[in-house]
Amino acid sequence: GDSVTQMEGPVTLSEEAFLTINCTYTATGYPSLFWYVQYPGEGLQLLLKATKADDKGSNKGFEATYRKETTSFHLEKGSVQVSDSAVYFCALSGSNSGYALNFGKGTSLLVTP
Amino acid sequence: DAEITQSPRHKITETGRQVTLACHQTWNHNNMFWYRQDLGHGLRLIHYSYGVQDTNKGEVSDGYSVSRSNTEDLPLTLESAASSQTSVYFCATGDSGYEQYFGPGTRLTVT
Repeated sequence: GDSVTQMEGPVTLSEEAFLTINCTYTATGYPSLFWYVQYPGEGLQLLLKATKADDKGSNKGFEATYRKETTSFHLEKGSVQVSDSAVYFCALSGSNSGYALNFGKGTSLLVTP
Repeated sequence: DAEITQSPRHKITETGRQVTLACHQTWNHNNMFWYRQDLGHGLRLIHYSYGVQDTNKGEVSDGYSVSRSNTEDLPLTLESAASSQTSVYFCATGDSGYEQYFGPGTRLTVT
């Protein structure tokens, strides 16, 4: 079945550092890919998405490119801020799951001043 | 503004009791979902619905049930609460574009 694997956390970075959170997936067909963010005590919010190969999703300085050849959707940000501290989830929606989302386990990010 | 709400936000119950968690959305979306979030597991799908009178089992549906009598609500019922069901529960709604909007969550503790 479909699955998402993302790098284990926690990740601790200094403010203005470069961020990469790796995400790879297994799915049949052409899934849509997502990054969701969860701030402490809150529900998940969509950060960005890509629906076909080579699409780049971007939002709030974060980017991720849908790479079908490597089945990856890595999240990047050039300069993180303390306010980016949160848990980040990679997810896919594909032919095996209908409209439901299949999530990775989440990566906790802590950005220190 | 459209929104999705969950109640209660926190619940403590005893083993064996029936518990119902409410989810209400004003997005007018047909698709609604229930997930549970546990450390080390991410979010896992419990049940989902693609419209009124439609319900489907997800990955971890044992011990849970849902019913959809209108577009706005998808209550989640734990028939006989177990300690393994201590978790944070999220309701979500979405349209055919796969993007989902999440509620604030319900933290359930089963003692």
